[in-house]
Amino acid sequence: DVKVTQSSRYLVKRTGEKVFLECVQDMDHENMFWYRQDPGLGLRLIYFSYDVKMKEKGDIPEGYSVSREKKERFSLILESASTNQTSMYLCASSLVAEFQETQYFGPGTRLLVL
Amino acid sequence: SQQGEEDPQALSIQEGENATMNCSYKTSINNLQWYRQNSGRGLVHLILIRSNEREKHSGRLRVTLDTSKKSSSLLITASRAADTASYFCATDKGFQKLVFGTGTRLLVSP
Repeated sequence: DVKVTQSSRYLVKRTGEKVFLECVQDMDHENMFWYRQDPGLGLRLIYFSYDVKMKEKGDIPEGYSVSREKKERFSLILESASTNQTSMYLCASSLVAEFQETQYFGPGTRLLVL
Repeated sequence: SQQGEEDPQALSIQEGENATMNCSYKTSINNLQWYRQNSGRGLVHLILIRSNEREKHSGRLRVTLDTSKKSSSLLITASRAADTASYFCATDKGFQKLVFGTGTRLLVSP
């Protein structure tokens, strides 16, 4: 079974802090994604990566950056956390292969920025 | 860009009944996927239907796709209490960049 793990289930940070959210997958997937989920808005794509050291902006990249130094690890960075970044953050991974488009999600990190 | 809109927002049924959820989207797609999310947890993939398919089945799930109307429906037959969850449609315009709908909250009562 594919396993996607996220470093924390719950996180409380203060405004202005630098925040790192880590995601690790164990199935050698090329693609990795970061989403945020807010009530009434569904999931929105922040950043994604097709390969090591490669990143692409999603629909809402402002205020975020990412790092992918190793294939299995994709980090989301909030350079200076703000209260409007309080949200549920979900990481996902998938294969780059035709007919293999399923995305596998981690359990999520609930971030509260005070 | 919020592409998928789900209807209804919430659905409450009894065990054994069927549950139908609908999804509408705005632009052309490669495929449409349905995911389930149990309360406060990650999403689990249920089923994928490609743009050249009209209907697909997986166990108690039946998905239809009408590209002319830009809509899809998910039918769960003989619902169980364990089906209680939120259900999301997601459209793939290419390169696996998914755009999710806002979800349908399903409550199945014993």
